[in-house]
Amino acid sequence: GAGVSQSPSNKVTEKGKDVELRCDPISGHTALYWYRQSLGQGLEFLIYFQGNSAPDKSGLPSDRFSAERTGGSVSTLTIQRTQQEDSAVYLCASSLVVAFALHFGNGTRLTVT
Amino acid sequence: AQTVTQSQPEMSVQEAETVTLSCTYDTSESDYYLFWYKQPPSRQMILVIRQEAYKQQNATENRFSVNFQKAAKSFSLKISDSQLGDAAMYFCAYFDNFNKFYFGSGTKLNVKP
Repeated sequence: GAGVSQSPSNKVTEKGKDVELRCDPISGHTALYWYRQSLGQGLEFLIYFQGNSAPDKSGLPSDRFSAERTGGSVSTLTIQRTQQEDSAVYLCASSLVVAFALHFGNGTRLTVT
Repeated sequence: AQTVTQSQPEMSVQEAETVTLSCTYDTSESDYYLFWYKQPPSRQMILVIRQEAYKQQNATENRFSVNFQKAAKSFSLKISDSQLGDAAMYFCAYFDNFNKFYFGSGTKLNVKP
């Protein structure tokens, strides 16, 4: 595709439910990042993929968060047993090679009620 | 851990005037990359400018330029001839040798007509 695509763009879920957020990076981009942005705040690093492997998972807030990437392309961020503090915009970004500019998607706004 | 500090939560500039956004960072590395990203209300992060630390020459992209002071660990963004479309959140970012991007907390830029 022309850019990084994220779905859904908005998600409202009840506390305790599981959610899956999807990211389709730009074709050929090997690096993929997930960030979380709370209202009016900066970007919090969650996880980074190089190809299908995740060398750095240090940003995942708890074991309720997990992510995978298959075929060196699509990535899914899963949040189990959602809590209200999980409410935020989840941004995905990809880059062709490391140290090149990140291309961001429009994000998924997650609201946990 | 590396940190990126943007000390100006919000700034205002008159249309056609010049404004400078500040950014400082903390690192023990000698080789790294610095970026400025813009996030308009549409939520999508857009790359404004990129600087390699090994280059002494300041990066420039049309009306956007940086003042990179490596010894002082300072990386400010100058926007000349400000336009209404420049109104957005601006994030400074640092990229390290472990493939991680660190973002500042952002500066909200208002452009007055």
